[in-house]
Amino acid sequence: DVKVTQSSRYLVKRTGEKVFLECVQDMDHENMFWYRQDPGLGLRLIYFSYDVKMKEKGDIPEGYSVSREKKERFSLILESASTNQTSMYLCASSSPAIASYEQYFGPGTRLTVT
Amino acid sequence: AQSVTQPDIHITVSEGASLELRCNYSYGATPYLFWYVQSPGQGLQLLLKYFSGDTLVQGIKGFEAEFKRSQSSFNLRKPSVHWSDAAEYFCAVGVSNGNKLVFGAGTILRVKS
Repeated sequence: DVKVTQSSRYLVKRTGEKVFLECVQDMDHENMFWYRQDPGLGLRLIYFSYDVKMKEKGDIPEGYSVSREKKERFSLILESASTNQTSMYLCASSSPAIASYEQYFGPGTRLTVT
Repeated sequence: AQSVTQPDIHITVSEGASLELRCNYSYGATPYLFWYVQSPGQGLQLLLKYFSGDTLVQGIKGFEAEFKRSQSSFNLRKPSVHWSDAAEYFCAVGVSNGNKLVFGAGTILRVKS
């Protein structure tokens, strides 16, 4: 079974802090994704990585950056957290080799910025 | 641009009743379509997917969905709902640029006994 893990289920940070959200997948997938989920808005793509050290902006990249130094790990960074970044963050992975677009999701990190 | 519309934000059904969740997509080519479910506090789990072939696809937990190209729809159905089906359901379409998915806003299903 594909497993995608996220470093924290719940996180509380203060405004202005630098925040790291970590995601690890164990299926050797090339693609990894970070989404934020807000009520009534569904999942919105923040960043996408299709290979180590490769990244592409999604629909809402402002205020975020990412890092992918190893294939299995994809980090989301909030350089200076703000209250409007309070949200659920979901990581996912997929493999273009099977061209199925199917993504496997982690359990999510609920981030609260106070 | 590709988009997915789930017209119902909330749906309440009685346990044992049938269920249909609506999904409409906008995409120029043949779509890759998905339904995911999210139980409270959990990540998303794939229910079923459509790539090609038979337009009626079967998924896990007794769910099925029908692709109708003429209506640009991919509605999710279940003949008899169980209390454990209470969750949020997301429809998604695969887009060609980098194997990405575009998600709908979700439908929250409540099951009453």
